[in-house]
Amino acid sequence: GAVVSQHPSRVICKSGTSVKIECRSLDFQATTMFWYRQFPKQSLMLMATSNEGSKATYEQGVEKDKFLINHASLTLSTLTVTSAHPEDSSFYICSAIREGRGTQYFGPGTRLLVL
Amino acid sequence: QQQVKQSPQSLIVQKGGISIINCAYENTAFDYFPWYQQFPGKGPALLIAIRPDVSEKKEGRFTISFNKSAKQFSLHIMDSQPGDSATYFCAASRGSGSRLTFGEGTQLTVNP
Repeated sequence: GAVVSQHPSRVICKSGTSVKIECRSLDFQATTMFWYRQFPKQSLMLMATSNEGSKATYEQGVEKDKFLINHASLTLSTLTVTSAHPEDSSFYICSAIREGRGTQYFGPGTRLLVL
Repeated sequence: QQQVKQSPQSLIVQKGGISIINCAYENTAFDYFPWYQQFPGKGPALLIAIRPDVSEKKEGRFTISFNKSAKQFSLHIMDSQPGDSATYFCAASRGSGSRLTFGEGTQLTVNP
């Protein structure tokens, strides 16, 4: 089956620092990847759509200068949380669309804790 | 606004029973309806999905029932097991490769 990985799985950082999260499709090419955040006991909220070779499309209310997304290849998208603050603490999940199939596969998530 | 409403918020079922989770959508342009299962601290995993050209789809113990006129769809888990205890999300999109709109989630507990 299609596998999507995320790295790191868990990160703790100090307020004001930047954190990069990687999302990789391990056995398929993904022209489109999505980034979600999920707070405890809540649903997934789409943050942005990442397309290979072009600028990401951000959802309303998501600061593009704070959440930098780069989709440099067909297997890798990165989310950088800049100047992180405690309110950015959340579970960040990426997903990838398998090219030619249309099925969306999710990564295992990254737990971010900002102190 | 595109919304998908899911109920119940939580569900407790005895082992061997049937778990039923319901979702309703508003946007008639949606044409792909997947269900995801999520365990604590993990990403969602696709369980089963349906398109509006069929009224029911079954895969093992999991069945989706779809009512296009009512704009509703539901997940039935037959012979529920303690290992099915997880949070279930319905979702909808315009095409299978498009952004998903998720329901609020249902926390299912299957007692042994």
